[in-house]
Amino acid sequence: DAGVIQSPRHEVTEMGQEVTLRCKPISGHDYLFWYRQTMMRGLELLIYFNNNVPIDDSGMPEDRFSAKMPNASFSTLKIQPSEPRDSAVYFCASSYGFGVGGYTFGSGTRLTVV
Amino acid sequence: DAKTTQPTSMDCAEGRAANLPCNHSTISGNEYVYWYRQIHSQGPQYIIHGLKNNETNEMASLIITEDRKSSTLILPHATLRDTAVYYCIVRFRGNTGTASKLTFGTGTRLQVTL
Repeated sequence: DAGVIQSPRHEVTEMGQEVTLRCKPISGHDYLFWYRQTMMRGLELLIYFNNNVPIDDSGMPEDRFSAKMPNASFSTLKIQPSEPRDSAVYFCASSYGFGVGGYTFGSGTRLTVV
Repeated sequence: DAKTTQPTSMDCAEGRAANLPCNHSTISGNEYVYWYRQIHSQGPQYIIHGLKNNETNEMASLIITEDRKSSTLILPHATLRDTAVYYCIVRFRGNTGTASKLTFGTGTRLQVTL
């Protein structure tokens, strides 16, 4: 298995532009998580899905952020419009059964908003 | 409120055992102790977890005190590739809900040296 695949690895965009981050979870995993990591705030859980349904989005910072999971093999995190303070590394993770045996994280997308 | 306390940083000589402590004095009977690590520029990696018994896998050993108020992650023969931030996380053993989320603290930065 190739693991959790995220794209792009790096994204540089101008303030005000729309940004879409992509994630392909491990086949057979029924939970998907989006995290954000910054120096100031560390790793924060933004939202998670179970069987493609959003369960808890209380970590989403504001309405500019949205996430979807149209099928079991694909999820997106969209920021519109982007702002410099959104600059961070965004990680996607997946697990089977809420991850009692651990989550598998992707390599992350480093987003820079200038 | 922080549920775990870890030293900010530790050093270990290559080939020696690395013993990473974690205090979780308010842990409840329904909470697991999890350990993850994050190597620079990568996503977090699951290492091991336990409830009250000591656990061992191919990566590490987890020693939990009898009162469960603290634990130690042991890397038996540390290598340079073990240099990373190690996170100790207390997590509810239920399948869903706020208390079951995987919440990362600041962790211990382990530096393995020659």
